[in-house]
Amino acid sequence: QKEVEQNSGPLSVPEGAIASLNCTYSDRGSQSFFWYRQYSGKSPELIMFIYSNGDKEDGRFTAQLNKASQYVSLLIRDSQPSDSATYLCAVKSGTASKLTFGTGTRLQVTL
Amino acid sequence: KAGVTQTPRYLIKTRGQQVTLSCSPISGHRSVSWYQQTPGQGLQFLFEYFSETQRNKGNFPGRFSGRQFSNSRSEMNVSTLELGDSALYLCASNEGGRTNEQFFGPGTRLTVL
Repeated sequence: QKEVEQNSGPLSVPEGAIASLNCTYSDRGSQSFFWYRQYSGKSPELIMFIYSNGDKEDGRFTAQLNKASQYVSLLIRDSQPSDSATYLCAVKSGTASKLTFGTGTRLQVTL
Repeated sequence: KAGVTQTPRYLIKTRGQQVTLSCSPISGHRSVSWYQQTPGQGLQFLFEYFSETQRNKGNFPGRFSGRQFSNSRSEMNVSTLELGDSALYLCASNEGGRTNEQFFGPGTRLTVL
């Protein structure tokens, strides 16, 4: 079992719709959860992070964390073609900076 | 503030050679982590340096090494290059304290022929 799992996609949503990206993790000691966006040929860009159970909103993005179910998700409201990218879920345990990444979900926002 | 910088951006080497990559973190950040990204394995953690000391290490062979200087700049070295070392090498900058956010540089694309 992989430590961090994501559906590779592609996830296709029409412009203006809500995109829902999901991630599960295996280490119950995980403490911090991150979403990165990576455009083709570019490096990952931090979108947001979450520590506590529940929802955290930042603009069009909402991260949701459920530690009991070991599940974290990212919702993108009013999806735009510029949101088309690979979304990486990353998990951090302990105080060291090591991030464990999922393989990413490719999102396609269609016109 | 300037972002994370990495040099060189592209490298082509042949098997058996060695290579050194450089990373300058965001000003004031004391932690630098290195990752390898390949299509097959995704992003994998190599090691982290904080205040010139290796604080954490991933599951890579000893051919992969690194160091950090007093100005927080970091280098990683790969010796005896193999074809499978072809990858995008990313460094990530972090304040090093209780904050968690890591910011990636543009990466170095290494091709081993």
